[in-house]
Amino acid sequence: AQKITQTQPGMFVQEKEAVTLDCTYDTSDPSYGLFWYKQPSSGEMIFLIYQGSYDQQNATEGRYSLNFQKARKSANLVISASQLGDSAMYFCAMREGRDDKIIFGKGTRLHILP
Amino acid sequence: ETGVTQSPTHLIKTRGQQVTLRCSSQSGHNTVSWYQQALGQGPQFIFQYYREEENGRGNFPPRFSGLQFPNYSSELNVNALELDDSALYLCASGTGVSPLHFGNGTRLTVT
Repeated sequence: AQKITQTQPGMFVQEKEAVTLDCTYDTSDPSYGLFWYKQPSSGEMIFLIYQGSYDQQNATEGRYSLNFQKARKSANLVISASQLGDSAMYFCAMREGRDDKIIFGKGTRLHILP
Repeated sequence: ETGVTQSPTHLIKTRGQQVTLRCSSQSGHNTVSWYQQALGQGPQFIFQYYREEENGRGNFPPRFSGLQFPNYSSELNVNALELDDSALYLCASGTGVSPLHFGNGTRLTVT
């Protein structure tokens, strides 16, 4: 079974609109962390936002927020006021326990339209 | 602070050859991990090093091996290259609790 599921292979969004990228996860470990990374066509993997399993509040970083619904095992990324530079591949990822093994989803390719 | 740097950026090898990829960790980080990202896929965990020892491995054969040095830099070695080894190889450093910081990757092409 997949541990990280991203059901949207691609999305097209008009510039300045908000966009939600979906992510569901599966783990039996009570301690885990959820990440979102952005990968432009250049290939670099850029860290965007992190949510710990014990964090009470949803994480926010500038225009990025993580809609964490623990009971549903969902960790959607919300980008407010999208910009042309947001066009990239977005990966949801999970770390279980305390090590650096990260499990990635298959990604969502986001296209921002002018 | 310096980020994670990888070398070389691109590499072309022939099937059966051996390759070494290099990574310098971000300062203050003591773990390094390597990921393989095939075209159109998410990165797959290869292995992780902490205090110069491998302490976690994904589903990769033994011909994928690595080293971590006292200065926390690292190498990924791949022997007997196969065509399917063509991918972007990403190095990431961390502290075991912080988010991983990735390098720009090495794109390996095996012909």
